[in-house]
Amino acid sequence: GIQVEQSPPDLILQEGANSTLRCNFSDSVNNLQWFHQNPWGQLINLFYIPSGTKQNGRLSATTVATERYSLLYISSSQTTDSGVYFCAVAYSGGGADGLTFGKGTHLIIQP
Amino acid sequence: DTGVSQDPRHKITKRGQNVTFRCDPISEHNRLYWYRQTLGQGPEFLTYFQNEAQLEKSRLLSDRFSAERPKGSFSTLEIQRTEQGDSAMYLCASSLETGDTQYFGPGTRLTVL
Repeated sequence: GIQVEQSPPDLILQEGANSTLRCNFSDSVNNLQWFHQNPWGQLINLFYIPSGTKQNGRLSATTVATERYSLLYISSSQTTDSGVYFCAVAYSGGGADGLTFGKGTHLIIQP
Repeated sequence: DTGVSQDPRHKITKRGQNVTFRCDPISEHNRLYWYRQTLGQGPEFLTYFQNEAQLEKSRLLSDRFSAERPKGSFSTLEIQRTEQGDSAMYLCASSLETGDTQYFGPGTRLTVL
């Protein structure tokens, strides 16, 4: 099946810093989503971005489908940005529709 | 749009008991998905439905697991003869069509004693 690798696995930053999270995937996709999982386990949709660039406030994301990677940028980090960030993809061939998740990046923003 | 809802939010059971979880998708979403997440890992796909038809099952879905989506609306996931290894967060998601954004519910946290 398709493989998803996220880096770095852990990231500790001071409030106000910028960060870049990376997601590499092994095959062509028709769905790529970034999530933030809060302490209660809820997966919060950040971006649906199988290709291109999107921005939402302090967050932006870019997916280069031909090179099989996606980047999530967080600017001016706040303590509320802490948590686990997941990248998830769905393979575009074979009719499979379930998302394959990476292991996540655990982000800690210190005041 | 009230989002995806799941019930119960928490379930504690003894090994060997059967449990059933419910998921209500966003209305008019044709696709409904079940995932399982264990501590420190990303969610793993279990199965999905297109309306009432179950189209794909992961190898993670053992014979003790069964899912239904009668009438293409809510779905249930039943685990028979629970084992301690079944302890996990069970997540439900829905989407309008294939390849669309999947929206996740709050999950059901299962603890098997």
